[in-house]
Amino acid sequence: DGGITQSPKYLFRKEGQNVTLSCEQNLNHDAMYWYRQDPGQGLRLIYYSQIVNDFQKGDIAEGYSVSREKKESFPLTVTSAQKNPTAFYLCASTRRGRGLYQETQYFGPGTRLLVL
Amino acid sequence: ILNVEQSPQSLHVQEGDSTNFTCSFPSSNFYALHWYRWETAKSPEALFVMTLNGDEKKKGRISATLNTKEGYSYLYIKGSQPEDSATYLCAFRALNSNSGYALNFGKGTSLLVTP
Repeated sequence: DGGITQSPKYLFRKEGQNVTLSCEQNLNHDAMYWYRQDPGQGLRLIYYSQIVNDFQKGDIAEGYSVSREKKESFPLTVTSAQKNPTAFYLCASTRRGRGLYQETQYFGPGTRLLVL
Repeated sequence: ILNVEQSPQSLHVQEGDSTNFTCSFPSSNFYALHWYRWETAKSPEALFVMTLNGDEKKKGRISATLNTKEGYSYLYIKGSQPEDSATYLCAFRALNSNSGYALNFGKGTSLLVTP
């Protein structure tokens, strides 16, 4: 079955530590996205990638970094510069990343990050 | 960040009741309006993508309407069932969005249907 997998389901971060959240898709989608959800908030865009080897900052990119070396993978690193990392992180993809098309986003199951 | 508002924040209905939610969004620069259903411990699942003013979409007991000129969309559930319990997300994409197909999400409406 095609889909998006995220791991781990729960992740614990110590102060000053960088942690990486995994996102893998086998849908052959060009574009991938990272969103963050906080209690009482809508999903907010962290980073997105429209094509391999290219990515752009979203609305709340400070303290995060990404890479897109392979089409199927878009890992998110939460760095020590992110002062409030506790949140639920969702990865998504769309078939295309550019052009005037209607594109449904497909989501992974999410990773909950907690700070120790 | 574009402002997408959903109401009510939460809703508790009895099985068999019909219900509706509202999503309001910027009426200028409209491109598309998405509805997603997000059940607990699962991934958000797409319900509808709507693009034209006056659009009406239907999927089983769930339907949605779109008014791009006044900037709102309604989601209706007819004869709610316990399995309809979920958070319903509305998301907006602007025409001149420079973030690919990334969406601007509302906070969601949490629906609980009890037998």
